[in-house]
Amino acid sequence: RKEVEQDPGPFNVPEGATVAFNCTYSNSASQSFFWYRQDCRKEPKLLMSVYSSGNEDGRFTAQLNRASQYISLLIRDSKLSDSATYLCVVNIREGTGFQKLVFGTGTRLLVSP
Amino acid sequence: SQTIHQWPATLVQPVGSPLSLECTVEGTSNPNLYWYRQAAGRGLQLLFYSIGIGQISSEVPQNLSASRPQDRQFILSSKKLLLSDSGFYLCAWSALGRGYNGYTFGSGTRLTVV
Repeated sequence: RKEVEQDPGPFNVPEGATVAFNCTYSNSASQSFFWYRQDCRKEPKLLMSVYSSGNEDGRFTAQLNRASQYISLLIRDSKLSDSATYLCVVNIREGTGFQKLVFGTGTRLLVSP
Repeated sequence: SQTIHQWPATLVQPVGSPLSLECTVEGTSNPNLYWYRQAAGRGLQLLFYSIGIGQISSEVPQNLSASRPQDRQFILSSKKLLLSDSGFYLCAWSALGRGYNGYTFGSGTRLTVV
C-alpha cells in the first residue's frame, strides 16, 4: 500500500464550481499534514497545513479524519487560476526519529471558463 | 526572509557524463536540506536528506550521491548519468527538526539525459 494515495484526476470543473479532493495515508502515527499546489513544470508550493479541527483559508477548506486516515481539500467558487496539481503530503517519522514528508502523486484540477 | 536557490534551471546531458546540481539557502542557519526527484507524470521521490554539514542520508539506492560541504549548501552529483536519471530535481529546506512546518522548494532543475 502506498504511504499516501490520491485520485490522479483530472477533475474538470467550470468556473464557480465547488470541488473536493481526497487523500488517504497509511501511517497512523503521522502527525503533520499539508496540501501543496504544483503548477505545470514548477516547484510545489505550500497551500495550507491541515489541522485536526479542520481549517479554512479563503475559498479553501482542509479536513482531517485521523480515525479513517483521510484528508480532504475543498475549493469553493473555483477560479481559472486554481488549475494545477494538488499534492497531499504527510509526515513520516523514521526509526531514527527524523521526520520526513511523503508526497502523494497529486490530483490534477482543470477549471474551464 | 529565507530564500532557496537552485541551478541550473535546465540541463541536457549525454549518457555517461557527470552531473553536479547545486542548492543554497539564505536567511537561516542549520536547515534540514532535501533532494527530491519527480519523473514525468510521477510523484516526488525523496533521494537524500541532510541534518547537518557532512551528514547525508540516502533514501534509495541509485546512481546519485549528495554532499553538504557548508551549512547552507547541498550538492547532488553523479559520476555517470543514466537515461533513467532524467527528471525534475528539486531541492528543499525546512527548519531543523521541524519538518512538521512543511518544506520550501527551490525552483528546480529539469534534467534530460540523452
